[in-house]
Amino acid sequence: DIVMTQTPLSLSVTPGQPASISCKSSQSLLYSDGRTYLYWYLQKPGQPPHLLIYEVSNRFSGVPDRFSGSGSGTDFTLKISRVEAEDVGVYYCMQSVQLPFTFGPGTKVDIK
Amino acid sequence: QLQLQVSGPGLVIPSETLSLTCTVSGGSISSGSFYWGWIRQPPGKGLEWIGTIYYSGTTYSNPSLKSRVTISVDTSKNQFSLRLSSVTAADTAVYYCVGQNSSAWGWLDPWGQGTLVTVSS
Repeated sequence: DIVMTQTPLSLSVTPGQPASISCKSSQSLLYSDGRTYLYWYLQKPGQPPHLLIYEVSNRFSGVPDRFSGSGSGTDFTLKISRVEAEDVGVYYCMQSVQLPFTFGPGTKVDIK
Repeated sequence: QLQLQVSGPGLVIPSETLSLTCTVSGGSISSGSFYWGWIRQPPGKGLEWIGTIYYSGTTYSNPSLKSRVTISVDTSKNQFSLRLSSVTAADTAVYYCVGQNSSAWGWLDPWGQGTLVTVSS
């Protein structure tokens, strides 16, 4: 199985300040079709996760442009340019290049 | 707008079989645009992919659970189902059903609200 790791596991951010989460995979997430199957999800308290970023850097419909994703191969980053109160929750990276799909352990973001 | 709703018992006896059904509304389960999956989350923990099914009946399961997992689809009812046999306390979790984009399986949207299943005698 591909192991996904995230750092940090928790993050406390002042509103308006940036935040960054790192995700690393034990194998490259670049598939033979040229696409990289790395996704970011946010789970707000009491809710199911929802899709933020697909294939490394593409924002899902309705996701504010303060969220951005980058990276390649095995190293990826989710950045929030200016954290807002509504951004609290647990952020997960996930790979789907190989079965079984696997998630990172999650990064809990809260507001100072 | 596509919506998913999980239903099933909230309490299962150890060693018995967990059975959940996901009802798809707002679209056809046979459209071919989606695969249909199950994800679970033990209380206070992270996410685990359980398995995925296509409307044709093709299934994929997590090897860690494979021998205990059965995923099926009923296109006439616009539903897909999960059965997990020989459950233990470790199977206590919130179980989510999800739609998976057929051209990018990691694209999990929409999600059902999830249902907590507790394994206890």
